[in-house]
Amino acid sequence: TQLLEQSPQFLSIQEGENLTVYCNSSSVFSSLQWYRQEPGEGPVLLVTVVTGGEVKKLKRLTFQFGDARKDSSLHITAAQPGDTGLYLCAGTNAGGTSYGKLTFGQGTILTVHP
Amino acid sequence: GAVVSQHPSRVICKSGTSVKIECRSLDFQATTMFWYRQFPKQSLMLMATSNEGSKATYEQGVEKDKFLINHASLTLSTLTVTSAHPEDSSFYICSAFGDGLDQPQHFGDGTRLSIL
Repeated sequence: TQLLEQSPQFLSIQEGENLTVYCNSSSVFSSLQWYRQEPGEGPVLLVTVVTGGEVKKLKRLTFQFGDARKDSSLHITAAQPGDTGLYLCAGTNAGGTSYGKLTFGQGTILTVHP
Repeated sequence: GAVVSQHPSRVICKSGTSVKIECRSLDFQATTMFWYRQFPKQSLMLMATSNEGSKATYEQGVEKDKFLINHASLTLSTLTVTSAHPEDSSFYICSAFGDGLDQPQHFGDGTRLSIL
């Protein structure tokens, strides 16, 4: 069974601070997705990373996929109250009986105070 | 972009009632859909994989007779919570993706099920 360890589980910071969320596994994933979810809604895809060592930027968010495709990080610069939400990482396997099945991390609840 | 529609968004019903939740892919064909359960402030927990035209694959610990899944077409999967009890109250979310490696999954907006 593949596992994704996501940390930290809770993060409470002031507006303007930087933060990093980590997802680590002993397993290799063909791709890794990051989602953001608000209460009462489904997760919304932020980014997909597929190549080892890949770095993607989405405004103030920077996503990195580890060289071995076993870990990933999400870095937010100058956090704003609108960034508040549940952040989820999820890994995908390429084939076999687990095709398309996502393995989710435990989630990080981010609260950004004005 | 691809959209997944989930209905209803909220259900409140009495204990013993069976509740059906629909998940539709609106502008693409979804050969595979997934059903998740989510408790407050926690991550998504996969319940089952729904495959068009075949039986669903349930995760360990999920009762097949309690959570009936039907994927009768390439755009619709349904989850029926049979004889629901208060402990079945939760947020249920479906996701869908078409064929192709590394295709992202698209999630519905979830169904809040409350059993009184």
